[in-house]
Amino acid sequence: EDQVTQSPEALRLQEGESSSLNCSYTVSGLRGLFWYRQDPGKGPEFLFTLYSAGEEKEKERLKATLTKKESFLHITAPKPEDSATYLCAVQAGGSNYKLTFGKGTLLTVNP
Amino acid sequence: ETGVTQSPTHLIKTRGQQVTLRCSSQSGHNTVSWYQQALGQGPQFIFQYYREEENGRGNFPPRFSGLQFPNYSSELNVNALELDDSALYLCASSSDHGETQYFGPGTRLLVL
Repeated sequence: EDQVTQSPEALRLQEGESSSLNCSYTVSGLRGLFWYRQDPGKGPEFLFTLYSAGEEKEKERLKATLTKKESFLHITAPKPEDSATYLCAVQAGGSNYKLTFGKGTLLTVNP
Repeated sequence: ETGVTQSPTHLIKTRGQQVTLRCSSQSGHNTVSWYQQALGQGPQFIFQYYREEENGRGNFPPRFSGLQFPNYSSELNVNALELDDSALYLCASSSDHGETQYFGPGTRLLVL
C-alpha cells in the first residue's frame, strides 16, 4: 500500500528564515510526486510535479527536490504570505490514477 | 480558462439523510476525482471518473456513489449519512486520467 509521511507536522519560522519540509514515501512504481499548498478552508493549490530522482523544480521562494525515497520542499527567505499547509502526494503507476496524500506540514511565518 | 467549481460551499445534514455534491471540471479536462478531507488530515481518495465511467475507487463503502455527465461535470452522492462523514469534500479535474489534478474549493459537510 502506498504511504506518505510528512515532517514536521508544524513549523514556525521568522520572516526570512529559510527551512525545508520533508516528504517520505513508499510506492509501487512512482508515476509522479506532487506538492500542493492549502489555505484554511480552501482546496489544495497545485505547486509542483516531480517524476524522477534528481529532478528539481522552482517557483518564487519554493524549490522542490526528489530522491528515490523522499522529497524536500525548500523555502528560501519566506514571507508571512507563505503561511499555509503544504501537502505532498504520490501517484503510482498503473491504471488507478489516485493521489495518496500525507497529512501535511502547517507552516507559519511570523513577520 | 475556468477553474474547478463546486457547489454548495457549505451544507448541514442530519444523520441518516442523503446528500448530493456537485463539481464542474476545468475546461478541457475529462477526468474527475473526489476526495474526502477530515480536519487535520490529508485528502483521502474516494473514486475517479473518466469519460463517464468509474476508473478506480478507494476504501469507501457503497453508500458513496458518483456520476459523471457528458459535459464532464460530476456528482458525489452519499446515502445514510453518518457523523464521521463530516468533512471537506474535494473535487479535482485532470486531462486524460492522471498527471496533475487541479482542485476545486471544496464543499464543507457537517452531519449532526
